[in-house]
Amino acid sequence: NAGVTQTPKFRVLKTGQSMTLLCAQDMNHEYMYWYRQDPGMGLRLIHYSVGEGTTAKGEVPDGYNVSRLKKQNFLLGLESAAPSQTSVYFCASSFGVSVGRLRELFFGEGSRLTVL
Amino acid sequence: AQKVTQAQTEISVVEKEDVTLDCVYETRDTTYYLFWYKQPPSGELVFLIRRNSFDEQNEISGRYSWNFQKSTSSFNFTITASQVVDSAVYFCALSEASAGGGADGLTFGKGTHLIIQP
Repeated sequence: NAGVTQTPKFRVLKTGQSMTLLCAQDMNHEYMYWYRQDPGMGLRLIHYSVGEGTTAKGEVPDGYNVSRLKKQNFLLGLESAAPSQTSVYFCASSFGVSVGRLRELFFGEGSRLTVL
Repeated sequence: AQKVTQAQTEISVVEKEDVTLDCVYETRDTTYYLFWYKQPPSGELVFLIRRNSFDEQNEISGRYSWNFQKSTSSFNFTITASQVVDSAVYFCALSEASAGGGADGLTFGKGTHLIIQP
């Protein structure tokens, strides 16, 4: 019953440091997403992937990179962290386009990142 | 471009009152999908409902009900006889069918913080 698992759950970085958030799903989902949640802003899409080896930019991609080397994993990287990247990050996954399983996103528990 | 507006930033009611959360959306697609998610104080996102644009029937699930009206581009959520456990942030979201087959995820509103006072 793991579903979508994010690691780490909490992290504090200094400006300029790098880090990677790992998202793993065990539901054999094709699509995976990274969102960030900021107060009063809702959830905004950073990057997404429609399958192993493919990634695409979302609404707020600057300052982030992603990789999907394995179908079950989706990594979000910050090469040089900035205070503006202080946020709660959510990973999500969903089935590919198939009738009856349309677009419901399954979310991880979130990762709280603070950049000092 | 798709857009979801939740005009109510915060709502506070006393337990047992009924409360309606508003959601207005914008889309050029004729086929689209609407969602509601709940985010309790613990932080996780809980899926509540999905509705496609061809199904305008209202839905009821226990104390929860949803009113979908294409004529006003609204998908409102009502909690009847609210309880303290309903306190959470509620998000409305939209996915367009033409947007890469839905691959580019959901567009979320900014959320409504619902406070149920005992």
